[in-house]
Amino acid sequence: GQQLNQSPQSMFIQEGEDVSMNCTSSSIFNTWLWYKQDPGEGPVLLIALYKAGELTSNGRLTAQFGITRKDSFLNISASIPSDVGIYFCAGQTRGSQGNLIFGKGTKLSVKP
Amino acid sequence: NAGVTQTPKFQVLKTGQSMTLQCAQDMNHEYMSWYRQDPGMGLRLIHYSVGAGITDQGEVPNGYNVSRSTTEDFPLRLLSAAPSQTSVYFCASSYSFGQPEAFFGQGTRLTVV
Repeated sequence: GQQLNQSPQSMFIQEGEDVSMNCTSSSIFNTWLWYKQDPGEGPVLLIALYKAGELTSNGRLTAQFGITRKDSFLNISASIPSDVGIYFCAGQTRGSQGNLIFGKGTKLSVKP
Repeated sequence: NAGVTQTPKFQVLKTGQSMTLQCAQDMNHEYMSWYRQDPGMGLRLIHYSVGAGITDQGEVPNGYNVSRSTTEDFPLRLLSAAPSQTSVYFCASSYSFGQPEAFFGQGTRLTVV
């Protein structure tokens, strides 16, 4: 079946650093989504991308829909402590609401 | 608006027991779905519904039943719980077919012993 490879699996951030993570797939998706999950909570939708090449920002977050439609990245600029959590990418195929495929997540933690 | 409400938050079942996980949304959303999340994994779709009276299977439907008698409610039933169903379950909704799930519940942590 379809799979998303999300990297890195985990990373440590220091306040003020920029963060980058990405998702790749062997399949084409028509929509790319990025979610954040805090401990004990459900995922929260951060950014939705609908067109190849699209670059979208939400505050300090910027995400891009890859030209090949097989990848997407998420950047967080000037990280702050409340950015810690797990970030998931998800891909959706056209015409099939049920086919939202999630990556395994990138866990963001604060550097000790 | 309460958003998506799931009950219970925690549950322990014995193997073979049955139970229903409740999910309700007050946003008049047509589309609702159930996911399970296992350690180190992304969310996997169990069942979904594009409107009252319409349900369909997702990626991992075995061992689960759903129904959608009203727009607001989308319960998930485990008929005979198995240890492999130990997981965190999330219900989600979106306004309509084709819109990504923008609203998730807080989850139900289920342990089957």
